[in-house]
Amino acid sequence: AQKVTQAQTEISVVEKEDVTLDCVYETRDTTYYLFWYKQPPSGELVFLIRRNSFDEQNEISGRYSWNFQKSTSSFNFTITASQVVDSAVYFCALSDGSSNTGKLIFGQGTTLQVKP
Amino acid sequence: DVKVTQSSRYLVKRTGEKVFLECVQDMDHENMFWYRQDPGLGLRLIYFSYDVKMKEKGDIPEGYSVSREKKERFSLILESASTNQTSMYLCASSFWGAKYGYTFGSGTRLTVV
Repeated sequence: AQKVTQAQTEISVVEKEDVTLDCVYETRDTTYYLFWYKQPPSGELVFLIRRNSFDEQNEISGRYSWNFQKSTSSFNFTITASQVVDSAVYFCALSDGSSNTGKLIFGQGTTLQVKP
Repeated sequence: DVKVTQSSRYLVKRTGEKVFLECVQDMDHENMFWYRQDPGLGLRLIYFSYDVKMKEKGDIPEGYSVSREKKERFSLILESASTNQTSMYLCASSFWGAKYGYTFGSGTRLTVV
């Protein structure tokens, strides 16, 4: 069965600290896609990144970076020099290969609190 | 600016009322989804639709129904609202296919009293 696990329910850091959000997935598909979404207090989930299973290059976007490792089935998200505006719920998601409709399987989410 | 629009940001309804939550997307997406989000439970899929008049049950369809008469609109219906349906409801849409991911609406926080 396909599954996404975000073991960290809540993380609290002080501004300027680095923080890593873990995401571990399970799938039997050879082709799949992984996503990260951010949900700020306003409520709307915002797309951050998509990664396909054939591309294991790490991605960096400003203070954000993602580490995709197929060997450990992980797709971790690191925020460098965190800021208060990074406070949000972060969701990792996996494409549902059983149907290929585009349905996503979400992790439980990690609530990140960045304190000033 | 492409978007998914949910008709209400906040809604308060009485127990037993029939409630309609509306979602409209302007991206010509085939897929549309309804989730509810509760503390500690993450996002749970209620229903989704991959085409007009097509629908499939998600993980928690009980107490809900949906309607998709036009491609751009997907409605969630609470036939007889109950207090345990108090929640944040999120609509999303996507193109058909695994690689696209979702675009989300801003959510409707429903309170049933």
